[in-house]
Amino acid sequence: NAGVTQTPKFQVLKTGQSMTLQCAQDMNHNSMYWYRQDPGMGLRLIYYSASEGTTDKGEVPNGYNVSRLNKREFSLRLESAAPSQTSVYFCASTPRGAWTDTQYFGPGTRLTVL
Amino acid sequence: AQTVTQSQPEMSVQEAETVTLSCTYDTSESDYYLFWYKQPPSRQMILVIRQEAYKQQNATENRFSVNFQKAAKSFSLKISDSQLGDAAMYFCAYRRAGWNYGGSQGNLIFGKGTKLSVKP
Repeated sequence: NAGVTQTPKFQVLKTGQSMTLQCAQDMNHNSMYWYRQDPGMGLRLIYYSASEGTTDKGEVPNGYNVSRLNKREFSLRLESAAPSQTSVYFCASTPRGAWTDTQYFGPGTRLTVL
Repeated sequence: AQTVTQSQPEMSVQEAETVTLSCTYDTSESDYYLFWYKQPPSRQMILVIRQEAYKQQNATENRFSVNFQKAAKSFSLKISDSQLGDAAMYFCAYRRAGWNYGGSQGNLIFGKGTKLSVKP
């Protein structure tokens, strides 16, 4: 039981490049989330998926797209990376409804955009 | 809008001693949850303790306990018998309860964190 896993752990991009961050959970959780963490800040919600087949915007969705591929996987895509997207990205999941449980976090992906 | 404030950017404690991290929050809701998360250098976000606002009793998890003052909107974390492994960033977070109507209004709102150092 690995919990929430994220790939890659580290990534360096040039401005304008695209990439997809992968997240998977093996806990049969319904809801999944993507956050970003900037220096000196707590986590801020980018997008979330309350259940398989649904996605919704969070606090800071601009510049990102998401796909809930199946119940296990929730990916985050940067179509044209910008230096302002340099951050640490966390995926999380909760067992039931989107806002009813404690969130379990993955180990994070450190992304640098040059 | 709800906000969470951690007024201590950094704290330091001697090994085996006790330290208290402060957190205040602002909300007009009566039912909500409060959390303390620990983030060690590995970056993993680890839940330390959770408190339901409707419960008057303060939550406790081994060496970690909270002082929840609902009227004052204060939620401090006490770490007893501090250990070297307690060194980390600690985030206080708030979430309203019972939100099932879509949108992100029920999401976790984080403070900016307190960096705790433990001296041997």
